Amino acid sequence: EAQVTQNPRYLITVTGKKLTVTCSQNMNHEYMSWYRQDPGLGLRQIYYSMNVEVTDKGDVPEGYKVSRKEKRNFPLILESPSPNQTSLYFCASSFIPGEQFFGPGTRLTVL
Amino acid sequence: DQQVKQNSPSLSVQEGRISILNCDYTNSMFDYFLWYKKYPAEGPTFLISISSIKDKNEDGRFTVFLNKSAKHLSLHIVPSQPGDSAVYFCAASLEGNTGTASKLTFGTGTRLQVTL
Repeated sequence: EAQVTQNPRYLITVTGKKLTVTCSQNMNHEYMSWYRQDPGLGLRQIYYSMNVEVTDKGDVPEGYKVSRKEKRNFPLILESPSPNQTSLYFCASSFIPGEQFFGPGTRLTVL
Repeated sequence: DQQVKQNSPSLSVQEGRISILNCDYTNSMFDYFLWYKKYPAEGPTFLISISSIKDKNEDGRFTVFLNKSAKHLSLHIVPSQPGDSAVYFCAASLEGNTGTASKLTFGTGTRLQVTL
């Protein structure tokens, strides 16, 4: 089954404790992206990757890191999480260009 | 600055009637537009898209209209069904620019409730 998977689905952590949210797709898509969804703000892009070893900032990259060492994986790293990073996070992938397929989301709470 | 705007946060429509969801954009360089549907606890799923060379695209009960001069697009759902109750996001991209192909800019979403 074609899908984008994210782990974990739910995470509660404390300020400053490094965390990684994994994202994996099995559709051989070149393009992968991370978004956060916040009330009243819709979906905002954090980082995106056009292919392996090619990443670029989206609209709200501060406080986040990404890497794209393999085509199928695109982890999101929060080196020192803060409460303003409490949000619902989505990973997405697509061919270039093309409709994006989204993962199920990761709800992160930073205390 | 919000480049893609959905000014109605919510909409309630009776089953069987038409639902019209609206979206405005400010960047005239956008050349590809999409609608996504999102149920609670799930990721957004693609619904329908339209290229800027067209003014209408239809897929079953869903039709998207694009008015480039007004920088406005709308999604029509006819007839509306209870299963259509979800949050709908419009999105825009610059497909003609290979440097940013597939980079989507989303609106804030409209929650549609279809009542019996």
